[in-house]
Amino acid sequence: AQSVAQPEDQVNVAEGNPLTVKCTYSVSGNPYLFWYVQYPNRGLQFLLKYITGDNLVKGSYGFEAEFNKSQTSFHLKKPSALVSDSALYFCAVRDIRKTGRRALTFGSGTRLQVQP
Amino acid sequence: DGGITQSPKYLFRKEGQNVTLSCEQNLNHDAMYWYRQDPGQGLRLIYYSQIVNDFQKGDIAEGYSVSREKKESFPLTVTSAQKNPTAFYLCASSIGGQGLETQYFGPGTRLLVL
Repeated sequence: AQSVAQPEDQVNVAEGNPLTVKCTYSVSGNPYLFWYVQYPNRGLQFLLKYITGDNLVKGSYGFEAEFNKSQTSFHLKKPSALVSDSALYFCAVRDIRKTGRRALTFGSGTRLQVQP
Repeated sequence: DGGITQSPKYLFRKEGQNVTLSCEQNLNHDAMYWYRQDPGQGLRLIYYSQIVNDFQKGDIAEGYSVSREKKESFPLTVTSAQKNPTAFYLCASSIGGQGLETQYFGPGTRLLVL
């Protein structure tokens, strides 16, 4: 089975400081990995994804994520946080080998709070 | 929220009643998905459809039904068998149905039980 864990329910960071939102995954083969963001009472918006290639993936709004196969992690990062980055962030995974269920599994979400 | 619309924004269900949530997309996407979002549990997959006239159960399909008669539309019915329907329901679509494509989400429908 494929699964993903976001160990922190909430992350607090001061504006201008770097931020990290953690994600670890479990799949039997190689993973496809995604980050989505959700603003209050809205649908999710795509930030970035890792399919193959360079382990450092750059996405929307200055976010990036690093794929680490040995640690089975895909942490989301940004060098300098903005108050407007405050939202709920979801990591998602799809096992590349899975031929049955062709859909993502989402983590439980991490709320990012950026203080001015 | 792209080219995906969900209606209504809020829906109230009475005991024993079936209700249908609408999801329409104008992105010409083949695949569509329904998720349920509860606080602290992230998104859980209810049903998904990779192509017209075909759909598969997700993790929590019991008490729900879907149809995919048109490419643009993927309505979700919450039946009276779903005993705890209060949640935020999100519809999504993707250009393909392999699970590696970017999903585009609608604005959601919040279902409340009277």
